[in-house]
Order: sequence, then C-alpha cells, then structure tokens
Amino acid sequence: GAVVSQHPSRVICKSGTSVKIECRSLDFQATTMFWYRQFPKQSLMLMATSNEGSKATYEQGVEKDKFLINHASLTLSTLTVTSAHPEDSSFYICSAGPSHTMNTEAFFGQGTRLTVV
Amino acid sequence: AQTVTQSQPEMSVQEAETVTLSCTYDTSESDYYLFWYKQPPSRQMILVIRQEAYKQQNATENRFSVNFQKAAKSFSLKISDSQLGDAAMYFCAYRTSYKLIFGTGTRLQVFP
Repeated sequence: GAVVSQHPSRVICKSGTSVKIECRSLDFQATTMFWYRQFPKQSLMLMATSNEGSKATYEQGVEKDKFLINHASLTLSTLTVTSAHPEDSSFYICSAGPSHTMNTEAFFGQGTRLTVV
Repeated sequence: AQTVTQSQPEMSVQEAETVTLSCTYDTSESDYYLFWYKQPPSRQMILVIRQEAYKQQNATENRFSVNFQKAAKSFSLKISDSQLGDAAMYFCAYRTSYKLIFGTGTRLQVFP
C-alpha cells in the first residue's frame, strides 16, 4: 500500500507559540490530503481538506486562521497551529491516497501528539 | 448530512470466539463506500475491510467479514476466531466526495 509519513510524532510547545506538522506521501503524488483531529477516547474529526496549489477547504467550526494549511507540492502538506493554547492539545492525523484509490482507500500518517503547556 | 453511529462503546470477546461490531449510517446518496478501520494503541489507522454500496455481496477479508444491509443502512463487522492482536479501537467510516466520516468507535477487548 501507499505510505504516508507524518512528522513529528510528538511535540510539546508553549502557549502562544506556533507549531508545524508535516504530512508527506512517500511513494505517490497526492493532490488532496486530509487533516483530522482526535481527542482522547474519541473519534477522528475531519478538520480540513488540503488541495495542492489552492486553498484548503475547512470543515464547519474549524478556525482557518488558527489552523493554517499549506499544500505547496504534490507530496507535502503542512498544518500549522498558530498561537497555540492548551485546548489545542490533541492528536492530529493526516491521510492521503493515490488518485486511483481516492474512493477505495485512505492511507494514514502515524499521527502527531501535540501538547501545549 | 451523513452520519455514522456505533452504538457499542465497548465490546469484549474470548480468544478464538466470534464477535460482531455494529454500525449504522445515514445518507441520501446511492453510491458510496463503507470501511472498518482498526486503531491499536500505537494509534496508527489500519484498514480492516471495505464495502462498495453498489455491491450486494458482503465483503470478506480472512477472519473479518461484514453484514451490509443497504436498505437498513447497517454495516456490521464480524471477527471470527478472535486473536489477542485484534484488541483495538474499531471505527466504522463512510466515504463521500473523498472525505471520510467516522463513527464514534468501539473498543474491543480480547480475553485469553
């Protein structure tokens, strides 16, 4: 299957700072990537759809200015949590897939555990 | 809007026994995909099985099979010959316009 790599796996940052999470497709090109957020013992909630070369599409209730998404190449999407606060602490997961598998399978990164202190 | 419901927050099964996890969904679309994903303690999402809505035949992957009832909008997962490694969170998911909508999850415990 396709490989999606997410980095870092864990990050701790101070309140008010920004942190960037990277999502890379290692063996395929991804025009679309997805960013999810997962609170402890809860489900994955789609935050936004990242589109290569254009603006991301955010789900209702997700602050665009808080969660900046950049999809500058066909193999890399980044999520930047700006001016982080303790309530932004969560598990963030990205997913992507080759175009011909878009409907049939999604491949997930390993996830990033963000802790804001 | 599409929704996915998993009514069993937790389930348990004895090793080598069979367990069924429930999932219902709501949609007005006729063509879609349904998935079961497993999330072990590592939190890496792993695809267990998928079902295309236009296919009447239930999908099967080794010890994992589904009971897909399109009219009832039901999509349950049956795990046969349960193994200790099956212990994990299981999420039912609905795919539309390339987006995945997840259910709330079922935590499966497997006892030796």
